[in-house]
Amino acid sequence: GESVGLHLPTLSVQEGDNSIINCAYSNSASDYFIWYKQESGKGPQFIIDIRSNMDKRQGQRVTVLLNKTVKHLSLQIAATQPGDSAVYFCAEGGNAGGTSYGKLTFGQGTILTVHP
Amino acid sequence: DAGVTQSPTHLIKTRGQQVTLRCSPKSGHDTVSWYQQALGQGPQFIFQYYEEEERQRGNFPDRFSGHQFPNYSSELNVNALLLGDSALYLCASSLEVGRGYTFGSGTRLTVV
Repeated sequence: GESVGLHLPTLSVQEGDNSIINCAYSNSASDYFIWYKQESGKGPQFIIDIRSNMDKRQGQRVTVLLNKTVKHLSLQIAATQPGDSAVYFCAEGGNAGGTSYGKLTFGQGTILTVHP
Repeated sequence: DAGVTQSPTHLIKTRGQQVTLRCSPKSGHDTVSWYQQALGQGPQFIFQYYEEEERQRGNFPDRFSGHQFPNYSSELNVNALLLGDSALYLCASSLEVGRGYTFGSGTRLTVV
């Protein structure tokens, strides 16, 4: 597969551990945030999203936390599995009515490696 | 239910040539966005189409142009290709502007 992320932050965990991936965003006016998972040779896959009127949202094995004060997002993956190994991106979705609405601005990404 | 479909999957072009990439959105989606992803980086927004018009544009030169058809499918055209245009080109569709984007697997363009 392609060698993605030669300069990306990396996180290495053991199978069964919980993983936390962090992301800082830049636009304080953004009201929509998304986490994507990208496997080698594939496009980004939606994991979970959150709007700015929330500070936490849970999905299946995943939780997203939003701290608007410090413009920080985190993705928590419970009981991490080898199939979770991928590059993870956070993205800002702009704000309704703003000039950036409709485009996603991606962070640099984090490589997650899960060891069996 | 088919997701976002992109063609071709891989393409090799020579500097100075022109290329057209194609995208069929997910069934029911009417908004299409295009992104460029260089190796080791996150996707960069190129432009977005809704109701057959370009609605938003990122920081890309005029060599990058697009089109959306009445059936919501879209094309991305790049003229006068440069080596730096080598990247994975991703198409994303959504039901409404700003929410719920689904990405295709992309077209890997190599310019030699």
